[in-house]
Amino acid sequence: AQSVSQHNHHVILSEAASLELGCNYSYGGTVNLFWYVQYPGQHLQLLLKYFSGDPLVKGIKGFEAEFIKSKFSFNLRKPSVQWSDTAEYFCAVTNQGGKLIFGQGTELSVKP
Amino acid sequence: GAVVSQHPSWVICKSGTSVKIECRSLDFQATTMFWYRQFPKQSLMLMATSNEGSKATYEQGVEKDKFLINHASLTLSTLTVTSAHPEDSSFYICSAIPGRGSYEQYFGPGTRLTVT
Repeated sequence: AQSVSQHNHHVILSEAASLELGCNYSYGGTVNLFWYVQYPGQHLQLLLKYFSGDPLVKGIKGFEAEFIKSKFSFNLRKPSVQWSDTAEYFCAVTNQGGKLIFGQGTELSVKP
Repeated sequence: GAVVSQHPSWVICKSGTSVKIECRSLDFQATTMFWYRQFPKQSLMLMATSNEGSKATYEQGVEKDKFLINHASLTLSTLTVTSAHPEDSSFYICSAIPGRGSYEQYFGPGTRLTVT
């Protein structure tokens, strides 16, 4: 069965630190990959997505992710985090059936 | 564009009663909508896939007689929690896909259900 694994449950960083959140998925076929963010008390928002083409994807708010097919990974990165990036981050994958499978989520806390 | 709304945003009900949650796509037609459940500090779990004009497809372990889903139009899907129990208390989130062949889901703001 398809699954998505996020390595870090809770990450604590200071402002201006660099961020990398790991995401691995298990599915051998064609996949579409997403990162969503959920700010405290708010609904899910799309950060970025990968369907095909350039494996380095740039999203909103300075986030980017790299799809490495050989490693089944889609890690999220940001060079310099801000206090406002404090949120829950979810990696998700969908196959041709369209159903989204979410990872467990990573809580990011950024200290001012 | 691609806005999805949910109503109500929160609801409290007594055990044994039923609660209906609406999911609407405001500026697009959604042939497919999804219903998720999210427990505190946990990820979203897909409950069912709702296709306009046909029966919903439920994920394994989800009671279809308890969680009734109706997708009556291209802009509205409803989730009815029947004979609610305290363990049904959760955050229910819907999403919608605009048109066929699209894989990007747009999420509603969620509905907080508390069963007392």
